[in-house]
Amino acid sequence: NAGVTQTPKFQVLKTGQSMTLQCAQDMNHEYMSWYRQDPGMGLRLIHYSVGAGITDQGEVPNGYNVSRSTTEDFPLRLLSAAPSQTSVYFCASSYPRRNTEAFFGQGTRLTVV
Amino acid sequence: ILNVEQSPQSLHVQEGDSTNFTCSFPSSNFYALHWYRWETAKSPEALFVMTLNGDEKKKGRISATLNTKEGYSYLYIKGSQPEDSATYLCAFVMDTGRRALTFGSGTRLQVQP
Repeated sequence: NAGVTQTPKFQVLKTGQSMTLQCAQDMNHEYMSWYRQDPGMGLRLIHYSVGAGITDQGEVPNGYNVSRSTTEDFPLRLLSAAPSQTSVYFCASSYPRRNTEAFFGQGTRLTVV
Repeated sequence: ILNVEQSPQSLHVQEGDSTNFTCSFPSSNFYALHWYRWETAKSPEALFVMTLNGDEKKKGRISATLNTKEGYSYLYIKGSQPEDSATYLCAFVMDTGRRALTFGSGTRLQVQP
């Protein structure tokens, strides 16, 4: 059972570089989301998707881009990395209409220098 | 931005102590309330998904109650063990079409042997 697969686990970027964090789930979940975790702030929602072709902004969307071309995949793109984007990122998936819990990827520790 | 608050922020207890934490959330447009356990260097894992006012859930020594009318949920741990040391997160789901999870900032529990 793969569940939610998130890559990479660690990444160091220079300011201004771009990159894509990958997230894939094999549970046919309609809902996928990206969070960032910063000290003392819990998990903050960046973007989410309720199905293929549908995305929406969360609490902290600036500097990030997402797309959902398939049910399985929900990549997060950093367009031009900034030191303020240094954080731990988590991808999650769930099926809210069935009131299931969210399943999380293993996390990506990103450092922007 | 929805206001989901958890208290206390952190808690240090001795092995064998019982403890409880609080999650406060908006009392209107309630859909669900989730509790997650998050160990250091791991991903959050679901404890409970609660949907009905008055709901009580139990898993081993951990239990939770829900009051949707006044907007709070309690998580109880009976006879804390060192392996219970973790951050406990609650997440509120609003009854709108999108059903995004809004997390509190968590309660960090440390259980001393």
